Amino acid sequence: NAGVTQTPKFQVLKTGQSMTLQCAQDMNHEYMSWYRQDPGMGLRLIHYSVGAGITDQGEVPNGYNVSRSTTEDFPLRLLSAAPSQTSVYFCASGYQPQHFGDGTRLSIL
Amino acid sequence: GIQVEQSPPDLILQEGANSTLRCNFSDSVNNLQWFHQNPWGQLINLFYIPSGTKQNGRLSATTVATERYSLLYISSSQTTDSGVYFCAVVHGSGNTGKLIFGQGTTLQVKP
Repeated sequence: NAGVTQTPKFQVLKTGQSMTLQCAQDMNHEYMSWYRQDPGMGLRLIHYSVGAGITDQGEVPNGYNVSRSTTEDFPLRLLSAAPSQTSVYFCASGYQPQHFGDGTRLSIL
Repeated sequence: GIQVEQSPPDLILQEGANSTLRCNFSDSVNNLQWFHQNPWGQLINLFYIPSGTKQNGRLSATTVATERYSLLYISSSQTTDSGVYFCAVVHGSGNTGKLIFGQGTTLQVKP
């Protein structure tokens, strides 16, 4: 039972590079979301999706792009990475309750 | 927006001790979850508890929605209980999954 799978687990980027964080779930959940966690803080919502083809912004959406072409996958894109995006990124699936992946640790140099 | 406050911010216990963590929220909620973030950074679901009381082994939780607080009880603490405990809520009664997290309580259990 995989649950929520995030890849990669670690990544180092240079400023200006682009990359996609992958998130996949096998629980057939309609609702998926992305959060970021900065040192000493709780998680903050970046983007969310209530189903395939439907996405919306959360609390801190700037610099990130998402799409939802299938129920299973919800990738998060950084188009031009900035040092301020250094963080740990969590993907979540489900509504009540939400289930979280193990996170992606991203460093932007 | 809704405010979520957790107390205490830090807690140090001797193995075997009991503890109570508190989560206060400033408005009505339709979802409340407690998470444990272990030293490896994984977020573990402990409870989904928008109201009432639940127990799971040495852990239990109570949410009094009308008074806008939730409590997490840890009994006979073990070193593996160390980590950060987060409370997270979804504001209001609408059909949204936007979790708002508190700042967390950092627990250290000493052997």
